[in-house]
Amino acid sequence: SQTIHQWPATLVQPVGSPLSLECTVEGTSNPNLYWYRQAAGRGLQLLFYSVGIGQISSEVPQNLSASRPQDRQFILSSKKLLLSDSGFYLCAWSVRAGGSTDTQYFGPGTRLTVL
Amino acid sequence: AQSVTQPDIHITVSEGASLELRCNYSYGATPYLFWYVQSPGQGLQLLLKYFSGDTLVQGIKGFEAEFKRSQSSFNLRKPSVHWSDAAEYFCAVGQGAQKLVFGQGTRLTINP
Repeated sequence: SQTIHQWPATLVQPVGSPLSLECTVEGTSNPNLYWYRQAAGRGLQLLFYSVGIGQISSEVPQNLSASRPQDRQFILSSKKLLLSDSGFYLCAWSVRAGGSTDTQYFGPGTRLTVL
Repeated sequence: AQSVTQPDIHITVSEGASLELRCNYSYGATPYLFWYVQSPGQGLQLLLKYFSGDTLVQGIKGFEAEFKRSQSSFNLRKPSVHWSDAAEYFCAVGQGAQKLVFGQGTRLTINP
């Protein structure tokens, strides 16, 4: 069966420090991968998605970047964190199904607090 | 652009009572529709999904949802809620290009 891991689970970082959040998927090949941010009391905002190694689409301009160095690894980064980067970060995967939509399966999330 | 509206930000029901969470979507083509549940500090878990066929969809934990094209709705229902159902519920629509658009969520509180 497929599983998705995220780490760290929680992170407290000072403003201006770098960030690296990691997401890995097991039990599937060639998945689509997604990064979402969930601010307190709000819905999910899609940040990045990837349909393959080195292929990243950015949904909103921001202080963050994403990379996919391996098929089942997705990394969210920042060179200098802002207070507004605080939130709950969720990684998700789905089966790559051409142009159609398939179910997304979510990881446990990373709680990031920027002080 | 595609959008999802969950009109109720917060709902409180008594344990054992019936539940209906509303979801309305805006999408030009036949939608792919999903309901997810999120417990505090956790990721999202899929409750059920509609792609095609029977418009009444059964999901996990005793939940069901009905797709009504004429009303652009996909409301989630449960005949009798349990205290463990307290969580946040998200409706989502497939946007094509393998992306989902989520509603803002409905927080469910259960009174004993």
